[in-house]
Amino acid sequence: AQRVTQPEKLLSVFKGAPVELKCNYSYSGSPELFWYVQYSRQRLQLLLRHISRESIKGFTADLNKGETSFHLKKPFAQEEDSAMYYCALSGHGSGYSTLTFGKGTMLLVSP
Amino acid sequence: KAGVTQTPRYLIKTRGQQVTLSCSPISGHRSVSWYQQTPGQGLQFLFEYFSETQRNKGNFPGRFSGRQFSNSRSEMNVSTLELGDSALYLCASSADSYYGYTFGSGTRLTVV
Repeated sequence: AQRVTQPEKLLSVFKGAPVELKCNYSYSGSPELFWYVQYSRQRLQLLLRHISRESIKGFTADLNKGETSFHLKKPFAQEEDSAMYYCALSGHGSGYSTLTFGKGTMLLVSP
Repeated sequence: KAGVTQTPRYLIKTRGQQVTLSCSPISGHRSVSWYQQTPGQGLQFLFEYFSETQRNKGNFPGRFSGRQFSNSRSEMNVSTLELGDSALYLCASSADSYYGYTFGSGTRLTVV
């Protein structure tokens, strides 16, 4: 069975502080990992994906297969980063066509 | 290009009724997935369609069903509604699921 765990429901930081949103997964195979973000009153959006190894809005995430983690990081948080962040996994068993989501972490960035 | 469009945005239904939700994917996207979002359970996968065929199904009762048309538009149906079916239902589409999905704004279903 595949599982995604986001241990923090809420993460509160000050503007300019570093941010790390934790994500751990359980999957017996080669998963693909994603981070989705939902800003207030907006739809769920894809933030970044492991396969692309990209940096979006200053955020990066590295897949650590040994620790089965895919933590999201940003060196300097901005107020506009305040949102709900979801880590998600898809696996080859479903043709990478189903996403298993974590429960999400609310990031609040204060001025 | 237009995003994923879901209709209606809001629905209020009575227990025991049935409901049909509609989703128009991004043009060219052949994979359409449905998710249920609730405060308690979070985002849960319902089913996924590709070229009119259901490829994957989540762990939901048979009251939840769906279909996809030849133009990739999709509908999901919930029969014999229960209070616990109150949720935000999200549709997502993808040209290649390996790279992720684009989500719609959702349909907020309230069962009274």
